[in-house]
Amino acid sequence: EIVLTQSPGTLSLSPGERATLSCRASQSVSSNYLAWYQQKLGQAPRLLISGASSRDTGIPDRFSGSGSGTDFTLTISRLEPEDFAVYYCQQYGSSPLTFGGGTKVEIK
Amino acid sequence: QLQLQEYGSGLVKPSQTLSLTCAVSGGSLSSGGYSWSWIRQPPGKGLEWIGYIYPSGSTYYNPSLKRRVTISVDRSKNQFSLKLTSVTAADTAVYYCARGFHFDFWGQGILVTVSS
Repeated sequence: EIVLTQSPGTLSLSPGERATLSCRASQSVSSNYLAWYQQKLGQAPRLLISGASSRDTGIPDRFSGSGSGTDFTLTISRLEPEDFAVYYCQQYGSSPLTFGGGTKVEIK
Repeated sequence: QLQLQEYGSGLVKPSQTLSLTCAVSGGSLSSGGYSWSWIRQPPGKGLEWIGYIYPSGSTYYNPSLKRRVTISVDRSKNQFSLKLTSVTAADTAVYYCARGFHFDFWGQGILVTVSS
């Protein structure tokens, strides 16, 4: 099973700032099958990025994903008020499918 | 627009079986070659993938739950279902259904509480 470790656990930033979230895998993620989700309180997660770097339909271009192998990053170039939420990474290159523990992006 | 909706019992007694169904609307679960998954999230915690099914009926379960999980599909009703046996308080969670391996469509989730 691939274990995904997200850091930091909490990121305290102000609107307009840049957010950099990390996701590290315990072994290489096959074909860079790594996705990122945003989850707001009381809502289902929302797919942002798949294939490590491909934005899903309708996702603003301030969200970008990068990385390969075992190290992946989600960057939010300029935080908007609606971006404060919890973010999860997920690998789907091998079964069982696994999620990271999440990074909470909170308002400073 | 594809929509998924979970339904079932929100309260289950310990040692009993949790049963949920995910109704798919706005498209057929048999088209596109997608798998269909169940995912859960204990209150205040992270996400755990439970397993998936293909429209053919082929399944794959998370080894951590495999002994207790059954996922089935009813193509005629455009829905798929989850059964989890011998539940304990640790199975209390919001249960989601979702499409694919990277989950592009999700249900709204249903809270299932295990309590006597």
